Order: sequence, then structure tokens, then C-alpha cells
Amino acid sequence: KAGVTQTPRYLIKTRGQQVTLSCSPISGHRSVSWYQQTPGQGLQFLFEYFSETQRNKGNFPGRFSGRQFSNSRSEMNVSTLELGDSALYLCASSLGQGDYSGNTIYFGEGSWLTVV
Amino acid sequence: AQSVAQPEDQVNVAEGNPLTVKCTYSVSGNPYLFWYVQYPNRGLQFLLKYITGDNLVKGSYGFEAEFNKSQTSFHLKKPSALVSDSALYFCAVREGGGGATNKLIFGTGTLLAVQP
Repeated sequence: KAGVTQTPRYLIKTRGQQVTLSCSPISGHRSVSWYQQTPGQGLQFLFEYFSETQRNKGNFPGRFSGRQFSNSRSEMNVSTLELGDSALYLCASSLGQGDYSGNTIYFGEGSWLTVV
Repeated sequence: AQSVAQPEDQVNVAEGNPLTVKCTYSVSGNPYLFWYVQYPNRGLQFLLKYITGDNLVKGSYGFEAEFNKSQTSFHLKKPSALVSDSALYFCAVREGGGGATNKLIFGTGTLLAVQP
């Protein structure tokens, strides 16, 4: 069974550009979340989607956006890139949401974004 | 607000010795706790989780964790460390217990260094 797949793995962008990152969750998983990891701030929650709806959002500026498609795949977009957006962006998937079964949350390998 | 603390930035242990990576949490309601491991330039790998039930949770690669409600701790342990266990370890709590979100709140991470 394939894990969480993120593309691209590495990319370099210039300040002011925009970037789109893609995430394919584990087959059958309907919940997708995104995290930003930096040496200074650690792991920070960006947003969470379930059934194509954003269910939760972290404390990031509006330049950060995302969406989820009907097949549960998700994309996140960062517009007007800044140097501080350089980070590892991690996608996580889980079977469901709003349940109390304690679904395991699995992470992908991440997308390394460098802004120059 | 829910939070997780990993009081040690780095833990050093000799190969073959037992290891402990500490984690304490602060939550309202029942905690849903997780441990993940991150190898260099990789994503997060799930090790184990505590939802309810036995206080000793067994996970992947010989790791286990002990949930202690009175001390609000969830320490990660392994009876005999391997050099290959050297990595960054993250403790996390799911916000709101097991409710309507899969958002994880992470600790700052502990670097485990196992010397041969």
C-alpha cells in the first residue's frame, strides 16, 4: 500500500514567485493536513482538509492557501514568496475526521522549498 | 491551550544501553499522544500512539512509550539502543483529544545520538 506521496520533493523559487505543492494521501484516507517545518519555528500546522472542506487553519498569512479535490488529493499554494518561506512542507493523511477512534496520522517525505 | 514539551534537545546513549526520550503534555480532556521519528532529509515516520487503554504502548522498531497521567508524561523508551536509532524524535498531541480535528501539536524535537 503506497504511503503519502508529495511532489515535487525539491524546488527552488525566487522571491515574489508562487509555488504549488501536491499531496496524494494514502488510499482510502480522506483527511489531509499540511505542516511547515523550519529550524527556527519547528513543526507548525498550516491547514486541514476533509471532504474538500477546510476544517482547521493555522496562524499563517493569507499567502498560504490550500484545497482538496474529490479524490482526496490536496494542493497547497504559497503566493508572493518570501525568503522566510524556505522550509520543509509536510503533508499528513488520516483515515477520517470527527471520530474518536484515534486514527493514525501518516506523513509524507515532504517538499523542500528554497526561496532565493 | 494544548502543548507538548520535550525538555532535552539532545540525548546521548551508548549502543546496547537503554534509551529514554522525554515528553510531557498539557491538554484539556483525554490526551491523544504520538511519537514520530525523522531521519535526515526525510519526512516523519510514525512510531506509536496512545489513545486509551494500557499505559505501556508498544510501537515500531522495538520502541515503546509509557503514558503517565499523574505526571502528564509520555516518555519514549527502548531497552537496547542501536546506532541506526540516531535521529530526531518528535512527541505530539492531537488538539482537542480525539474530536473534530487531526491537527497535531508538536514538541520541539529531541536529537538522539547513539554512539557505537
